[in-house]
Amino acid sequence: QVVLTQSPSASASLGASVKLTCTLSSGHSNYAIAWHQQQPERGPRFLMKVNNDGSHTKGDGIPDRFSGSSSGAERYLTISSLQSEDEADYYCQTWGPNWVFGGGTKMTVL
Amino acid sequence: QVQLQQSGPGLVKPSQTLSLTCAVSGDSVSSNSAAWDWIRQSPSRGLEWLGRTYYRSKWYNDYAASVKGRIIIIPDTSKNQFSLQLNSVTPEDTALYYCAREDNDWHWIWGQGTMVTVSS
Repeated sequence: QVVLTQSPSASASLGASVKLTCTLSSGHSNYAIAWHQQQPERGPRFLMKVNNDGSHTKGDGIPDRFSGSSSGAERYLTISSLQSEDEADYYCQTWGPNWVFGGGTKMTVL
Repeated sequence: QVQLQQSGPGLVKPSQTLSLTCAVSGDSVSSNSAAWDWIRQSPSRGLEWLGRTYYRSKWYNDYAASVKGRIIIIPDTSKNQFSLQLNSVTPEDTALYYCAREDNDWHWIWGQGTMVTVSS
């Protein structure tokens, strides 16, 4: 079974950029992943799917500030021009052999 | 625009059955390009996928190993909804439960969530 590893926390200043990382376990470096955002006291919201070639497809209404990329076994979510509402938990997810989630990264906007 | 509306009790006694329903609007549960999932979230287990149902000329189900044998996900085409039944619950099944829709491009839509507590 694939395992997804995320740093527990990240922080950056208002208006800055941040790059969150999701690492796929050994032998699964070609897997695509999905990113979800969970704001405080709210349910998750799908952000995008990131393929192993770095291409990504975003959900409806997701701002251009959010983008995805890939390098080896790592999948990234970059948030530019950080806003206060970007303070949230971010989860990655993949299939193998059922849906698996990472532990999430708590993003703090300073 | 697809929307999912969850309903069901927030309190279940140990050993009983947890039952939740997810009403779908803006799509059909019989869609050939979507699947209908249940996921739960707790501080100890994080986000945990429980299972899904989907239609591809016939109905299929996939279930997580952690709940296999206790879980049933049932589509109801007449009401355009799907339901979760989790049997023999224990306090460890206490969690925030979400229904969700996934499509073939891995795009997801989540329900609003239902907090379920297992307690006598």
